[in-house]
Amino acid sequence: ETGVTQSPTHLIKTRGQQVTLRCSSQSGHNTVSWYQQALGQGPQFIFQYYREEENGRGNFPPRFSGLQFPNYSSELNVNALELDDSALYLCASSLARGQGYGYTFGSGTRLTVV
Amino acid sequence: AQRVTQPEKLLSVFKGAPVELKCNYSYSGSPELFWYVQYSRQRLQLLLRHISRESIKGFTADLNKGETSFHLKKPFAQEEDSAMYYCAAGAGSYQLTFGKGTKLSVIP
Repeated sequence: ETGVTQSPTHLIKTRGQQVTLRCSSQSGHNTVSWYQQALGQGPQFIFQYYREEENGRGNFPPRFSGLQFPNYSSELNVNALELDDSALYLCASSLARGQGYGYTFGSGTRLTVV
Repeated sequence: AQRVTQPEKLLSVFKGAPVELKCNYSYSGSPELFWYVQYSRQRLQLLLRHISRESIKGFTADLNKGETSFHLKKPFAQEEDSAMYYCAAGAGSYQLTFGKGTKLSVIP
């Protein structure tokens, strides 16, 4: 059984650019959630995907978008990067839409916007 | 607004001493409560959740609805307990709200 894998592990982008982060969910998990963790803060919910549909969204602007593929892997896209987008982006997969089953987290992608 | 508060950024205790990591929540409805832990150079992982009422690695957490608290406790701290601990709450079908975390340092 494999866990959640994220790529790349680190990334440096320039303000105004676009970025795509990738996540492979744990085997058997059909739900993927994305979180942003700024330095010194807890993870903050961006959105969740269940069976290729967005299942819920946090307080993030539309320039944050995502996709889920038939194999349940997922992408997070951020357009028009801003300095405040610098953070650790965490992907978490779960067996069901409800968080009661608990998430399995990836190691994250560290994004730096300069 | 949904909120999870962990009042301590850093908690230092001696090995063998009791540990209590505080968590208070402000949430509409009846949320589910969780504790997540992140050991050095490892990923965030679920420690325990209130619905299962289990003890993991000697840690327990009791949900107090009157005080809206979900404090994490362990009677005797071990050096391997040193980590970052996050309390989280969720209601509905998708998002978890995390606290800012407490760094537990167990002094040998």
